[in-house]
Amino acid sequence: DADVTQTPRNRITKTGKRIMLECSQTKGHDRMYWYRQDPGLGLQLIYYSFDVKDINKGEISDGYSVSRQAQAKFSLSLESAIPNQTALYFCATSPNDGTEAFFGQGTRLTVV
Amino acid sequence: GENVEQHPSTLSVQEGDSAVIKCTYSDSASNYFPWYKQELGKRPQLIIDIRSNVGEKKDQRIAVTLNKTAKHFSLHITETQPEDSAVYFCAARSGYSTLTFGKGTMLLVSP
Repeated sequence: DADVTQTPRNRITKTGKRIMLECSQTKGHDRMYWYRQDPGLGLQLIYYSFDVKDINKGEISDGYSVSRQAQAKFSLSLESAIPNQTALYFCATSPNDGTEAFFGQGTRLTVV
Repeated sequence: GENVEQHPSTLSVQEGDSAVIKCTYSDSASNYFPWYKQELGKRPQLIIDIRSNVGEKKDQRIAVTLNKTAKHFSLHITETQPEDSAVYFCAARSGYSTLTFGKGTMLLVSP
């Protein structure tokens, strides 16, 4: 089945370290997204990309950067991790009409 | 930008009862309203959606209603079952842009 795959699934890192979360999809969609989920705060958009040459900031982009390496790959980086970036991170894709978003399994990141 | 408010944050019902979750949105240009279900430890998955040219949509025990004038939409689950227990998110999209999500409702269905 076509899917959205995130690696790693769990990661513990130290404050100040650089970390990259990776996402790949086999759905053939152009649109890809990175969301952050905190308890009680829902899904907040970090960055999104509507095609390989397009990168856009979301509502909480500070402290994060992204790279769209190919249609199927979209990675999220934390240049210098801090404890309040401890959260569950989801990658997602959608068709070009912006309808159903398909989420990856999530990456649980802990910054100590 | 779009702002989506979702209520209640938690909802407890007895098995067989109905559950209603409500959302309001701010952008009158929003035209697509999906609902996602997230079971514990799982990814969010779409359960039903509605577009702005439709007032109501049903899929078995689940229905969504949309009131464009009041800018609110609701999820209705009838004959709830324990497996309906999960976090539910509403969302709204303006034009062909990105989805803005509500903060979620934790639904607990007791046997």
